[in-house]
Amino acid sequence: AQSVTQLDSHVSVSEGTPVLLRCNYSSSYSPSLFWYVQHPNKGLQLLLKYTSAATLVKGINGFEAEFKKSETSFHLTKPSAHMSDAAEYFCVVSEAGGFKTIFGAGTRLFVKA
Amino acid sequence: GAGVSQTPSNKVTEKGKYVELRCDPISGHTALYWYRQSLGQGPEFLIYFQGTGAADDSGLPNDRFFAVRPEGSVSTLKIQRTERGDSAVYLCASSLGTDRRDTQYFGPGTRLTVL
Repeated sequence: AQSVTQLDSHVSVSEGTPVLLRCNYSSSYSPSLFWYVQHPNKGLQLLLKYTSAATLVKGINGFEAEFKKSETSFHLTKPSAHMSDAAEYFCVVSEAGGFKTIFGAGTRLFVKA
Repeated sequence: GAGVSQTPSNKVTEKGKYVELRCDPISGHTALYWYRQSLGQGPEFLIYFQGTGAADDSGLPNDRFFAVRPEGSVSTLKIQRTERGDSAVYLCASSLGTDRRDTQYFGPGTRLTVL
């Protein structure tokens, strides 16, 4: 069975400092992994996805994530936070052989001026 | 082109009533998903359609919930005998085809409140 654990419910950073949002997954088969962002009163938007090509995935707005099979992790990073990055971030897994997608509980990112 | 749309944006109903929530996917997208998002939680998978058929309905919580997509485009999520615990934001998403790696495009959601 597949599952996703986002290790931090809240992360607070200062503008201009690095961002790290942690995600661990459990999957029986080769998974596809995604990060989605949800801004207040806006719909979910895809940031990036891993689909068994390169393990380091680059997404929109300067975000990237690295798939580490040995650690079953897919952490999201950004070198320098911007105020507009403040939002809820969801790590998502989709397992081979099916289309059921599992969302993590989310990490709320706060960015301080 | 237009994104995924959902109607109504808000629905308030009384316990025990029947409700229908509508989703219009992006034109040409064959896959359609329904999710439920409770306050402070991530979206919870309910059902996935490929064309007209429900390919995976394992997330529907009980037989009060039912969804249809009769012509392979618009979908309706139906909830019978609503309960206060059904209160949540119901999200719809569509994707291009049959590959699980396809990006899902989400609608703005319908906020359901059961009094």
